[in-house]
Amino acid sequence: AQSVAQPEDQVNVAEGNPLTVKCTYSVSGNPYLFWYVQYPNRGLQFLLKYITGDNLVKGSYGFEAEFNKSQTSFHLKKPSALVSDSALYFCAVRDNTGANNLFFGTGTRLTVIP
Amino acid sequence: DTEVTQTPKHLVMGMTNKKSLKCEQHMGHRAMYWYKQKAKKPPELMFVYSYEKLSINESVPSRFSPECPNSSLLNLHLHALQPEDSALYLCASSLKGAGGRGDEQFFGPGTRLTVL
Repeated sequence: AQSVAQPEDQVNVAEGNPLTVKCTYSVSGNPYLFWYVQYPNRGLQFLLKYITGDNLVKGSYGFEAEFNKSQTSFHLKKPSALVSDSALYFCAVRDNTGANNLFFGTGTRLTVIP
Repeated sequence: DTEVTQTPKHLVMGMTNKKSLKCEQHMGHRAMYWYKQKAKKPPELMFVYSYEKLSINESVPSRFSPECPNSSLLNLHLHALQPEDSALYLCASSLKGAGGRGDEQFFGPGTRLTVL
């Protein structure tokens, strides 16, 4: 069975500081991992994905994520947070076997404080 | 054209009404999705179309009826909805059909549905 956990409902960080939004996953086969961001009353925007290859993935708006197979984690990071990064962030996973559904985590609300 | 469009942006309907939500993409994507999202919750998958054929129906009540007239268009027909169906309805598309597991999904802005 596939599942995703985002252990923090809320993350607060000061503007200019590094940010981390945590995600752990569970899949039967090899994982395909995604991060999406959602601004109020909007659809989800794709940030980045891990399929294979380099464990460090770089994405849109200066975000990056590190795939860690031993810890089954895919944490989202940014070196210097902006107030405009404040939004709801979803981690999602799909594996290479079984149902082709994309499983979303429960989301983490990021607030960047000026 | 790299976006998914959805109409209407907002919809208010009574429990006896019939209405439709529309989704369109011109990126040549062959998989299209309907999701339902409640406030502060993740999207819940409702339906998946792959190459214009329904491939996944997540046990959605029959008062929701999807339709895929062509590869660019996806509709969701609504009839006899309940107040608890009020939510943001999101459409998404991805490049390949069911086999495209590594493909990211592109989401539309959603339709905010209120059922009175």
